[in-house]
Amino acid sequence: DVKVTQSSRYLVKRTGEKVFLECVQDMDHENMFWYRQDPGLGLRLIYFSYDVKMKEKGDIPEGYSVSREKKERFSLILESASTNQTSMYLCASNIINRVREQFFGPGTRLTVL
Amino acid sequence: DQQVKQNSPSLSVQEGRISILNCDYTNSMFDYFLWYKKYPAEGPTFLISISSIKDKNEDGRFTVFLNKSAKHLSLHIVPSQPGDSAVYFCAASASGTGNQFYFGTGTSLTVIP
Repeated sequence: DVKVTQSSRYLVKRTGEKVFLECVQDMDHENMFWYRQDPGLGLRLIYFSYDVKMKEKGDIPEGYSVSREKKERFSLILESASTNQTSMYLCASNIINRVREQFFGPGTRLTVL
Repeated sequence: DQQVKQNSPSLSVQEGRISILNCDYTNSMFDYFLWYKKYPAEGPTFLISISSIKDKNEDGRFTVFLNKSAKHLSLHIVPSQPGDSAVYFCAASASGTGNQFYFGTGTSLTVIP
């Protein structure tokens, strides 16, 4: 069974703080993704990575950065959190050139005050 | 610009009846489509997929239909059960885009016992 875990289920931070969201997958997947989910907007891709140290911008990368130092771990960084980054953050992974379904973690509900 | 659209934010159906969830897309390069189911406070879980070389795929109570000329897909759930109550997202991807997926905004299904 594929397992994607996220470091926190709920997080509360203050405006201007640096925030780290961690994601780990245990199935040796090449691809990893960070999304945010907001009501009425669905899932929007922030960044994805297809290999260690590689990253690609998604649809809404502004205000975020990512780090992938090891294959199993993909971190999302909010350099200076703002209230409009309050959201549900979802990490996902999948394998290249196979059935393309993505496997999601349980999500982190981030509130920025 | 939203490339994948789910125009019905919510749907209510009686237990035992058919649920039909709809999804439209604009990008003719999309060749793989998926449906995900999401319960509150959990990550999305993969439900069913279809490749553009097919027009129907069935898995138990779930059937996905693809109409390429209309750029439309639908998910049929028969018979609907109360445990099917969740938010359903459709997603689409195109070969050669690094497995990037585009998600719809979701439809919240309520199955009434």
